[in-house]
Amino acid sequence: GENVEQHPSTLSVQEGDSAVIKCTYSDSASNYFPWYKQELGKRPQLIIDIRSNVGEKKDQRIAVTLNKTAKHFSLHITETQPEDSAVYFCAATVSGGYQKVTFGIGTKLQVIP
Amino acid sequence: DTEVTQTPKHLVMGMTNKKSLKCEQHMGHRAMYWYKQKAKKPPELMFVYSYEKLSINESVPSRFSPECPNSSLLNLHLHALQPEDSALYLCASSQGPPTDTQYFGPGTRLTVL
Repeated sequence: GENVEQHPSTLSVQEGDSAVIKCTYSDSASNYFPWYKQELGKRPQLIIDIRSNVGEKKDQRIAVTLNKTAKHFSLHITETQPEDSAVYFCAATVSGGYQKVTFGIGTKLQVIP
Repeated sequence: DTEVTQTPKHLVMGMTNKKSLKCEQHMGHRAMYWYKQKAKKPPELMFVYSYEKLSINESVPSRFSPECPNSSLLNLHLHALQPEDSALYLCASSQGPPTDTQYFGPGTRLTVL
């Protein structure tokens, strides 16, 4: 089955700096890679996703890159703000009639004001 | 309506009780999921329903019994739980390919005494 490794497990940055979270996956059939943000006590919320036919996707301060050859994908947050503090999960799945999504272990991001 | 709702928000039960968790979505999604999430861990898939049929059972103990009465509703019946079953139980739904994005409900915080 799919295995997703995520690092770092914790990340502290100063407000205004950039944050990068990296993930690798093992199943070359995986073709959909969502990123979820989970604030303490709340539900995971999709913040950005990328499909295997795209190398990069951007949404305001958030971007995701995908290297299919190396089976790497990364989340980039620029100009970080205190409200970006949360746990971020990367995930990988094979698009199909239903999905089994494999999550990374999560990265706890702390943005220091 | 772009939300997945779950009831109750919190549940405390004894090991001999029977209780049910409920999940509802009105987005016309055809796949619904139950996840279990322990503190500081990623969501762990339990069950997947696709077109109201059970598609995946991740070797979940029989004290957890899912039910999908219709395309909008998903229940999780609980019986004879153990204290280690205490966790956040998340419901999610997805439209199916090509979208594949899973939307999570707010979760039910379950405590087993």
